[in-house]
Amino acid sequence: GENVEQHPSTLSVQEGDSAVIKCTYSDSASNYFPWYKQELGKGPQLIIDIRSNVGEKKDQRIAVTLNKTAKHFSLHITETQPEDSAVYFCAARAVTGNQFYFGTGTSLTVIP
Amino acid sequence: GAGVSQSPRYKVAKRGQDVALRCDPISGHVSLFWYQQALGQGPEFLTYFQNEAQLDKSGLPSDRFFAERPEGSVSTLKIQRTQQEDSAVYLCATTLGTGIGYGYTFGSGTRLTVV
Repeated sequence: GENVEQHPSTLSVQEGDSAVIKCTYSDSASNYFPWYKQELGKGPQLIIDIRSNVGEKKDQRIAVTLNKTAKHFSLHITETQPEDSAVYFCAARAVTGNQFYFGTGTSLTVIP
Repeated sequence: GAGVSQSPRYKVAKRGQDVALRCDPISGHVSLFWYQQALGQGPEFLTYFQNEAQLDKSGLPSDRFFAERPEGSVSTLKIQRTQQEDSAVYLCATTLGTGIGYGYTFGSGTRLTVV
């Protein structure tokens, strides 16, 4: 099955700086890559996603890039704010079925 | 409802006890998934329903785990004879459709602790 690896596991940045989280996947047929933000005691919340026919997608301070050849995708958060502090998960969708394979998470801390 | 509702939020079970976890999906959401999230890890797939049909249960770790969605709405995940390794957060997620691009809406989860 699909294997998704995520780095780094923890990330601390100063408020206003940028944060980048990277993921790789193993199944070249995976075709949909969402990113989720999980705050303490809550379920993951979808923040942005990208399909395999697109190389980049941006939504205000958040952007995702996809390199299908290298089988990696990244989350970019610019002008970070303290409320961005949370655990972020990348995921890849299996070609068969609808399940997602998740990375192990990145704990982001934005220091005021 | 406005979101995916899971109950109970917390459950402490003695080893060997049976538990039942409930998921109330967003009205009209066709697909429903159960995931298990161990501490410090990403969610791992357990099972998938499309309406009332359980189309994939390949992630259920043992025959002690059973899920149902009899009327295509509310779903229950049942764990029989709980063991310590079952301690985790159990997340329910639903989507409106079945095609590509339908991101999940997750509930807040049920934290199960087996003592």
